[in-house]
Amino acid sequence: DAGVIQSPRHEVTEMGQEVTLRCKPISGHNSLFWYRQTMMRGLELLIYFNNNVPIDDSGMPEDRFSAKMPNASFSTLKIQPSEPRDSAVYFCASRPRRGSNSPLHFGNGTRLTVT
Amino acid sequence: QKEVEQNSGPLSVPEGAIASLNCTYSDRGSQSFFWYRQYSGKSPELIMSIYSNGDKEDGRFTAQLNKASQYVSLLIRDSQPSDSATYLCAFTGNQFYFGTGTSLTVIP
Repeated sequence: DAGVIQSPRHEVTEMGQEVTLRCKPISGHNSLFWYRQTMMRGLELLIYFNNNVPIDDSGMPEDRFSAKMPNASFSTLKIQPSEPRDSAVYFCASRPRRGSNSPLHFGNGTRLTVT
Repeated sequence: QKEVEQNSGPLSVPEGAIASLNCTYSDRGSQSFFWYRQYSGKSPELIMSIYSNGDKEDGRFTAQLNKASQYVSLLIRDSQPSDSATYLCAFTGNQFYFGTGTSLTVIP
C-alpha cells in the first residue's frame, strides 16, 4: 500500500505569491493532519480533518492559511499571500480513524522556501 | 503547561551504550503513546507504540509507560551510529500531541 503522498517535495516562491500544497492520505484512513516544522518551533499542528470535515483549525497561523479536504483521498493547504516566515517543512499525516489507538503515518513533506 | 514535555537534549552516547529518552504528558485520559524517529531532512517514522503500563520491547528498543506518573520513556540498547536522529514522543487525546523532540548522537 502506498504511503501518504505529498506534492511538491520542494517549493520555492517569492513573497506575495500563492502556494498550494497537496496531500493524498493512505487509502482507508479518514483522519488527516497538516503539520508545520521549523527548527525554532518544532512540529506544530495546523489543522486536522475527520471524515473530510475540519475538526480543529486553531493551529492555523492566520487568515492567509486555508485548508480543504474535498474528498477522502485529497487535501490541500493554501497560503495566500506567502511570506518569508512561512518557510518551513509542511507534513501531511493520516491515521485510520479518530479515537483509535492507531499511530499517524507521515508523508515525505514539502519544503517551502519563501524569498 | 505544555501537553508534552520532552528533554530537548542534545544527548550524546558512545556506540554500544544505552540511550535513555524521557517524556511527560499532561492528559491523564490519554490511552495511546508513541515514539517516532526523525532523521535530518526526513519525515517522522513510527518506531514504538505502547498502550498499557509497563515495558514493551522490540529488538533493541524498549518503551516504558507509567500512567500514574504520566511518564513514558524509550531505551535504546547497544546504540549504533545509525540511531543518531531526533526522537519524538507523542500521545493521543483530543488530537495527536507531539513533544519537541530529543536529538540523539551516537558516537562511534
